[in-house]
Amino acid sequence: EVQLLESGGGLVQPGGSLRLSCAASGFTFSSYAMSWVRQAPGKGLEWVSAISGSGGSTYYADSVKGRFTISRDNSKNTLYLQMNSLRAEDTAVYYCAKDWASGYSSSWYNYWGQGTLVTVSS
Amino acid sequence: EIVLTQSPATLSLSPGERATLSCRASQSVSSYLAWYQQKPGQAPRLLIYDASNRATGIPARFSGSGSGTDFTLTISSLEPEDFAVYYCQQRSNWRITFGGGTKVEIK
Repeated sequence: EVQLLESGGGLVQPGGSLRLSCAASGFTFSSYAMSWVRQAPGKGLEWVSAISGSGGSTYYADSVKGRFTISRDNSKNTLYLQMNSLRAEDTAVYYCAKDWASGYSSSWYNYWGQGTLVTVSS
Repeated sequence: EIVLTQSPATLSLSPGERATLSCRASQSVSSYLAWYQQKPGQAPRLLIYDASNRATGIPARFSGSGSGTDFTLTISSLEPEDFAVYYCQQRSNWRITFGGGTKVEIK
């Protein structure tokens, strides 16, 4: 059974940093691209970042480029999102999501974690 | 950035009725469009990918159609568990965007 378990969310002041983790199990982690998608309270979905299965390719939304860094440790089956220079508008539930396709990035997400809440406020 | 506009924002229907949800792209996305369902307090669930392919385990009452800029998600006969918010998503050139969502509520 595929499981994705996010952690690391919490309350942080504007300008602060936070690192999110997503522990994956139930599939061959290194074979799948992974993404982070966020959802501000009461709002819609916003794609944040993606990384290839090998970790060699990374992609970012313009809204987070230069501030967030996605990475993965395939030996630990874990996905990360390092978030720096946080702003109030980064407040959201952050989901990690598994790509539907094996071996390439389809950008369709067939498994999602339960999400972790990041609140940026003074 | 490709903007996806979903309509209507809210659809009020009764169980057993047919639901037709629209997603319009600001420029062509070919057939690279997906649909997700999200219930309160839950993560999204992939329903349809590549415009018309049902994801694993998705009931046949869900169908997707369209290409280019105009897409439709149809639920042929609403079940009680189908009342939720539905999002479309496109994947053009790693500028991935979602639509604003359509809420299907019980009339």
